[in-house]
Amino acid sequence: DGGITQSPKYLFRKEGQNVTLSCEQNLNHDAMYWYRQDPGQGLRLIYYSQIVNDFQKGDIAEGYSVSREKKESFPLTVTSAQKNPTAFYLCASSRLGDRGTYGYTFGSGTRLTVV
Amino acid sequence: KQEVTQIPAALSVPEGENLVLNCSFTDSAIYNLQWFRQDPGKGLTSLLLIQSSQREQTSGRLNASLDKSSGRSTLYIAASQPGDSATYLCAVRMETSYDKVIFGPGTSLSVIP
Repeated sequence: DGGITQSPKYLFRKEGQNVTLSCEQNLNHDAMYWYRQDPGQGLRLIYYSQIVNDFQKGDIAEGYSVSREKKESFPLTVTSAQKNPTAFYLCASSRLGDRGTYGYTFGSGTRLTVV
Repeated sequence: KQEVTQIPAALSVPEGENLVLNCSFTDSAIYNLQWFRQDPGKGLTSLLLIQSSQREQTSGRLNASLDKSSGRSTLYIAASQPGDSATYLCAVRMETSYDKVIFGPGTSLSVIP
């Protein structure tokens, strides 16, 4: 079955460390997205990519970095510059073209905690 | 700037009741509206997607309507079950921004057996 796989499910980061969250999709979707979810704040867009080797900042990109070397993969690195990284991170993908027709498919999320 | 709101923020109903969740948006220039379900600690599961040219979509006990001109969508759940307990989010895909999707804050639903 096609879908989006996020790993790991839980991740613990020490102060000053960079950590990378994995997101892989086998849906042949063009676009991929990273969102952060905090209690009471809803989903906020970190980065998105519509094509390999190209990506755009979202609303809260500071302290994060991404790459898109393959269509299927869109890893997110949480750098030490991100001062409050504890959150639930969600990866999504979508077809492009007729945007009225297509919606988002989400992964199961990664919960990142600073220890 | 597009704002998406959902009312109520939380809802508790007895099993078997029919219920309506509301989603409002301020900018009607949208490609589509999508309803999601999120269980605690899990990702979002897509329930229904309504294109801007459509009025409603149905899937099983779920029916979603869209009134684009008034900036409103409703999600109707018939004969609610305890397994429907979750947070329900709506999201609009904007015409005017470069592939921008705006999410509502969600309605937390609890169905009591």
